[in-house]
Amino acid sequence: SQTIHQWPATLVQPVGSPLSLECTVEGTSNPNLYWYRQAAGRGLQLLFYSVGIGQISSEVPQNLSASRPQDRQFILSSKKLLLSDSGFYLCAWGRGVPEQYFGPGTRLTVT
Amino acid sequence: KNEVEQSPQNLTAQEGEFITINCSYSVGISALHWLQQHPGGGIVSLFMLSSGKKKHGRLIATINIQEKHSSLHITASHPRDSAVYICAARGSQGNLIFGKGTKLSVKP
Repeated sequence: SQTIHQWPATLVQPVGSPLSLECTVEGTSNPNLYWYRQAAGRGLQLLFYSVGIGQISSEVPQNLSASRPQDRQFILSSKKLLLSDSGFYLCAWGRGVPEQYFGPGTRLTVT
Repeated sequence: KNEVEQSPQNLTAQEGEFITINCSYSVGISALHWLQQHPGGGIVSLFMLSSGKKKHGRLIATINIQEKHSSLHITASHPRDSAVYICAARGSQGNLIFGKGTKLSVKP
């Protein structure tokens, strides 16, 4: 069966510090991968999606970036965090069908 | 205007009540999802609909493609149903376009 992992589960970082969130998927190959963010009081927003290694599409301009160094690994990064980057970050995977499967999420607080 | 609108934003019910959460969307979709987000943030997919009606336990989801409207019903609500319920429409890239969610609180 397929499993999706995210870490860390919670993170508190100061403004201006770097960020690296990791997502890995087990039990499937060549998945579509997605990063979503849920800011306080707002709905989930798609940040990045990837249909293959090294292929990243960005939906929203921001100071975040994503990379997919391996088929089942998706990384969300920032060189310098802003207060507005605080939120709940969810990774998800899909296989070209409408169903998407979500990871447990990372709650990021930028202080 | 958001592409996916949910109502109500907040809902408080007494245990045992029948609950309805509504979702309207303005984009063309191939599927609509209902998700449940627990207080810790974890999300569980409840339903994926492209037409008609689906039932799972006390949960029922319906969709009217012509009217671009979907509803999630909870029969005989229970305090453990307290969560945020999110409607999401599938976009052209396979991504989901989310509503802002409905926070449900069921009192014993």
